[in-house]
Amino acid sequence: QKEVEQDPGPLSVPEGAIVSLNCTYSNSAFQYFMWYRQYSRKGPELLMYTYSSGNKEDGRFTAQVDKSSKYISLFIRDSQPSDSATYLCALLGLDKLIFGTGTRLQVFP
Amino acid sequence: NAGVMQNPRHLVRRRGQEARLRCSPMKGHSHVYWYRQLPEEGLKFMVYLQKENIIDESGMPKERFSAEFPKEGPSILRIQQVVRGDSAAYFCASSPEVSAVTYNEQFFGPGTRLTVL
Repeated sequence: QKEVEQDPGPLSVPEGAIVSLNCTYSNSAFQYFMWYRQYSRKGPELLMYTYSSGNKEDGRFTAQVDKSSKYISLFIRDSQPSDSATYLCALLGLDKLIFGTGTRLQVFP
Repeated sequence: NAGVMQNPRHLVRRRGQEARLRCSPMKGHSHVYWYRQLPEEGLKFMVYLQKENIIDESGMPKERFSAEFPKEGPSILRIQQVVRGDSAAYFCASSPEVSAVTYNEQFFGPGTRLTVL
């Protein structure tokens, strides 16, 4: 079983839609949960991180962690064409990030 | 404050040659991480280094791959006798410190895309 599972997509939505991206993980010891955005041919950039369970909001982005079900989510409201990218969930081990495979998102005008 | 720098951005090697990938961390960062991204896959951890020390190399292939982070100069990921399966994007990240009680973001460079012919 992979440590982190993520639906690779691709996910194609119209501009203005609400996007839901999800990951599941297997090890309950993880405490920090991240979402990275990666544009084509670029390095990943951190969007948000969450410690333990709960919600965190930053503008149009909301991250949720449910440790009881080992489930993490990223919601994007009012999606824009500029949001088109690959979104990677990641968990922080002691000294390394463990990534999902990434979900490719396409927002069309 | 410049971000994490990697060079070259693109590297083409023939099978059997050596590949050297360089990473300069952000100013003030003393921790460097290398990740590999194969086509259609997520990033996979390879190695974590501090100055002159390898802290965790659990993700490094046992043969042909090595990494260093000398006291002076960039971190180097070295791949000897490259094979086609080594073709991937190699990303370096840096952080200011590692703590068990606080979160320290890893900042990623733009990557080196290695193509093995």
